[in-house]
Amino acid sequence: GNSVTQMEGPVTLSEEAFLTINCTYTATGYPSLFWYVQYPGEGLQLLLKATKADDKGSNKGFEATYRKETTSFHLEKGSVQVSDSAVYFCALSDPAGGFKTIFGAGTRLFVKA
Amino acid sequence: GAVVSQHPSRVICKSGTSVKIECRSLDFQATTMFWYRQFPKQSLMLMATSNEGSKATYEQGVEKDKFLINHASLTLSTLTVTSAHPEDSSFYICSARGLSGTSGGTDTQYFGPGTRLTVL
Repeated sequence: GNSVTQMEGPVTLSEEAFLTINCTYTATGYPSLFWYVQYPGEGLQLLLKATKADDKGSNKGFEATYRKETTSFHLEKGSVQVSDSAVYFCALSDPAGGFKTIFGAGTRLFVKA
Repeated sequence: GAVVSQHPSRVICKSGTSVKIECRSLDFQATTMFWYRQFPKQSLMLMATSNEGSKATYEQGVEKDKFLINHASLTLSTLTVTSAHPEDSSFYICSARGLSGTSGGTDTQYFGPGTRLTVL
């Protein structure tokens, strides 16, 4: 079945550091891939998405590239801010699975000033 | 962008009572909505898929008689936790699937802000 695996946290960085959160997936069809962000006490917000191989999703300085050959969708940001502290979820949605979204376990990011 | 609301945002109830949570798509019609449960510091667990005008499809292990889902219109789905017990305390999140032709597309889900349920 479909699944998403992302690196365990928490990840603690200093402000302006480079961020990478790894995400790999398994899917039977041709899924779309997503990163969602959850700020404390809030619901999930779509951060970025990519719908096919080699697509790059980007938003608010974050980016991730859909790599079919490595089944990965790693999240990166060149310079993190304190306000980026949140939990980040990698996810996939597979049309073959009725568009159910499968989430990774989430990675908590702490950014220190 | 598409907006999904949930009401209430927080509810505290006594054991044995029932609680209804509403999920509304505010600026688009959602034929499909999803209900998730999130335990502290954990990922989201899909409970059920709610389709307008038909019965919900529950994930394995989710009691359909305990978690009643109704999707009576294209903008509203409700989750009722019946005879709630302390173990039902959790963060419940709904999402609505985007429409074909919209910027998000049918594979994007728009999430509500969540409802924190505490059962005493």
